[in-house]
Amino acid sequence: DAKTTQPPSMDCAEGRAANLPCNHSTISGNEYVYWYRQIHSQGPQYIIHGLKNNETNEMASLIITEDRKSSTLILPHATLRDTAVYYCIVKGNAGKSTFGDGTTLTVKP
Amino acid sequence: DSGVTQTPKHLITATGQRVTLRCSPRSGDLSVYWYQQSLDQGLQFLIQYYNGEERAKGNILERFSAQQFPDLHSELNLSSLELGDSALYFCASSTRTAGAQETQYFGPGTRLLVL
Repeated sequence: DAKTTQPPSMDCAEGRAANLPCNHSTISGNEYVYWYRQIHSQGPQYIIHGLKNNETNEMASLIITEDRKSSTLILPHATLRDTAVYYCIVKGNAGKSTFGDGTTLTVKP
Repeated sequence: DSGVTQTPKHLITATGQRVTLRCSPRSGDLSVYWYQQSLDQGLQFLIQYYNGEERAKGNILERFSAQQFPDLHSELNLSSLELGDSALYFCASSTRTAGAQETQYFGPGTRLLVL
């Protein structure tokens, strides 16, 4: 699976959009981009995934660049409960998912 | 609630002991994954089972073993415990054995403290 690079931390004002970047320059054609988050020490929570098209669900939007070397997770209206560690993962056919250090997002009032 | 259950929630034991962690996957999911998360560290993949068979292995110590039973629940056995084994242990399940499009749903974890 391709390696991902994320900033270690970000802040966001409550009610504003949170844009979390992820670089995955070595991604292969059949690898998907997945986003999970972990609130405190709870089990990671699935957010969204995509291959090459932009995706949106009730939680977030995922924007993948045309060359697929990077992506951005967008939380449109961040709340205090969105404070968490966000993991960007590139997943191939190996079955396992390799979690990096993620981005600690702090939403501030 | 992801639908994945793990027991116990907390476990305190002594060095040298053996413990068993249990995981029940979401209804219909055939794959089970085990992860370890030590203090201030990321999630480390340990092992994956699909429909009772081992499918992928990560950084799992020889003192650790796992299995998946016919009813699809899984157990992670940790033996000869050391202080460094203190961690959160997560189980995840998914519907497919492999393939890039496979969402994992995580349980709430078991917090193990070795004294």
